[in-house]
Amino acid sequence: DAKTTQPPSMDCAEGRAANLPCNHSTISGNEYVYWYRQIHSQGPQYIIHGLKNNETNEMASLIITEDRKSSTLILPHATLRDTAVYYCIVRVNNQGGKLIFGQGTELSVKP
Amino acid sequence: SQTIHQWPATLVQPVGSPLSLECTVEGTSNPNLYWYRQAAGRGLQLLFYSVGIGQISSEVPQNLSASRPQDRQFILSSKKLLLSDSGFYLCAWNAGGPYEQYFGPGTRLTVT
Repeated sequence: DAKTTQPPSMDCAEGRAANLPCNHSTISGNEYVYWYRQIHSQGPQYIIHGLKNNETNEMASLIITEDRKSSTLILPHATLRDTAVYYCIVRVNNQGGKLIFGQGTELSVKP
Repeated sequence: SQTIHQWPATLVQPVGSPLSLECTVEGTSNPNLYWYRQAAGRGLQLLFYSVGIGQISSEVPQNLSASRPQDRQFILSSKKLLLSDSGFYLCAWNAGGPYEQYFGPGTRLTVT
């Protein structure tokens, strides 16, 4: 399974863009990059996923480098409610599609 | 729309007692189902997953077991709880393929 590396913590000012990096240098060609977040004491929430093209939805944008060895999750206008642990996951496409969670990045959005 | 339920929300059990946590999904059929555990201050650990009725795959050796008696029901059990079984237990589902997983609200288990 491909591994991911994320910074343990980041701060962001409210209203500014939050850019969360993730390294996945051993990703294979058919593995997707997924992003989830977990607000304290809640279940993880799906944010976005992609294979090799950049993706955007109502929550965030996902930028994947051309070599697919890293990606960045962008929250365009962070709010206090975006304070959470953000997980970057490379999904195994066999064995039931299980997700392997790392330690994630704890994002603190400050007023 | 699909919803996922877990109960109970919180549970305090003595060491050596049995455990049964239940998860049900509504609004979909033949989902993949997953049990995760999150120890305090740590990331999520996948415990079991199931791609169909009666089909269970275990990810880590432990004193827990899982069963899927019906298509949209997933049960996590233990015959004798250990202190190390304390944690936040999360059930999740997805529709198979490269689709996102949706998580339930979780059960916070404290073994005393």
